[in-house]
Amino acid sequence: NAGVTQTPKFQVLKTGQSMTLQCAQDMNHNSMYWYRQDPGMGLRLIYYSASEGTTDKGEVPNGYNVSRLNKREFSLRLESAAPSQTSVYFCASRTGGSYEQYFGPGTRLTVT
Amino acid sequence: RKEVEQDPGPFNVPEGATVAFNCTYSNSASQSFFWYRQDCRKEPKLLMSVYSSGNEDGRFTAQLNRASQYISLLIRDSKLSDSATYLCVVIPFSGGYNKLIFGAGTRLAVHP
Repeated sequence: NAGVTQTPKFQVLKTGQSMTLQCAQDMNHNSMYWYRQDPGMGLRLIYYSASEGTTDKGEVPNGYNVSRLNKREFSLRLESAAPSQTSVYFCASRTGGSYEQYFGPGTRLTVT
Repeated sequence: RKEVEQDPGPFNVPEGATVAFNCTYSNSASQSFFWYRQDCRKEPKLLMSVYSSGNEDGRFTAQLNRASQYISLLIRDSKLSDSATYLCVVIPFSGGYNKLIFGAGTRLAVHP
């Protein structure tokens, strides 16, 4: 039981490049989330998927798109990376009826 | 004003000390409250929920003061392994369990 996994662990992009961050969970959770964490700020919600087939914007969705591929997988895409998107990205999941979110190990992204 | 505010620290304490952190929240209609722990360069993990009546888990005690809109975390008999960043988390009235609001965290360093 791996929990929540994320790939890649590290990534360096040039401004304007695109990439997709992958997230998968093996806990049969309904809800999945993408956050970013910047120094001096709390984790901020980018997008979430309350259940398979649905996605909703969080606090900071601009510049990102998401896909809930199936119940296990939730990907985050940066279409045209900007230096302001340099951050640590965490994926999380939660089962219905519980408040606890389980986080993946994070992806450290640098945009130059 | 941030929705959730924490003293960033660091709090440097010797082993065996008692240390307390506070967290204030701005939305008086906030529903639920939690403390998460985040080790250096790792993902956040749920430490404990915060109930109106206060709750204790071993050396950790969490309390909620709705009138003054703050929550607290008390750690007794600090261990080296308690060194981490402690994140205050609030669930606002709207959004339910899908829209957690994270504080920026309070860093604790326990030294021998």
